[in-house]
Amino acid sequence: NAGVTQTPKFRILKIGQSMTLQCTQDMNHNYMYWYRQDPGMGLKLIYYSVGAGITDKGEVPNGYNVSRSTTEDFPLRLELAAPSQTSVYFCASLQTGSSSNQPQHFGDGTRLSIL
Amino acid sequence: AQKVTQAQTEISVVEKEDVTLDCVYETRDTTYYLFWYKQPPSGELVFLIRRNSFDEQNEISGRYSWNFQKSTSSFNFTITASQVVDSAVYFCALRVVGGQGGKLIFGQGTELSVKP
Repeated sequence: NAGVTQTPKFRILKIGQSMTLQCTQDMNHNYMYWYRQDPGMGLKLIYYSVGAGITDKGEVPNGYNVSRSTTEDFPLRLELAAPSQTSVYFCASLQTGSSSNQPQHFGDGTRLSIL
Repeated sequence: AQKVTQAQTEISVVEKEDVTLDCVYETRDTTYYLFWYKQPPSGELVFLIRRNSFDEQNEISGRYSWNFQKSTSSFNFTITASQVVDSAVYFCALRVVGGQGGKLIFGQGTELSVKP
């Protein structure tokens, strides 16, 4: 059971570079999320998706883009990396929606440093 | 607005001590869900427990117990006879119905250090 898989686990970028953080889940969950965790802080929602072809902004979407072409995949794109985007990024999935009491399933995170 | 506050940033205890991690939440919704997650030094997030707003029963699981009190908007977590393996950051989180696709609203986390 793979669950939620994130790649890469670590990455160092230069300011202005772009990259895509990959997230895939094999549980056929319809809801998926991207969070970022800054040092000493809780996780904050960047973007979320309630199904293939549907995405929406979270609390801190600036500087990021997402797409959801399949149920399984939910990549996060950084177009012009900035030092403020240095963080740990977590992808998560959930079978049902906001009324669910089920826990979100999290990937192991991607640690991103921008220098 | 919804908010979760974990006022204890860091706690340090000696092995076998009991420790309580506080969590206070704010929401005007009548239906909501509360969660605790553990983040060990390896960095992943491990689900510990969930509680529905309409279920105020306390819960015990081995050395872990949770005290949910709607009257004080608190969902505290107690570890009995702590062990070194309990060292981690613990997050309390809130989900409200209809809120941004069921997102979790996290507290700042409490870093627990259990020393031998």
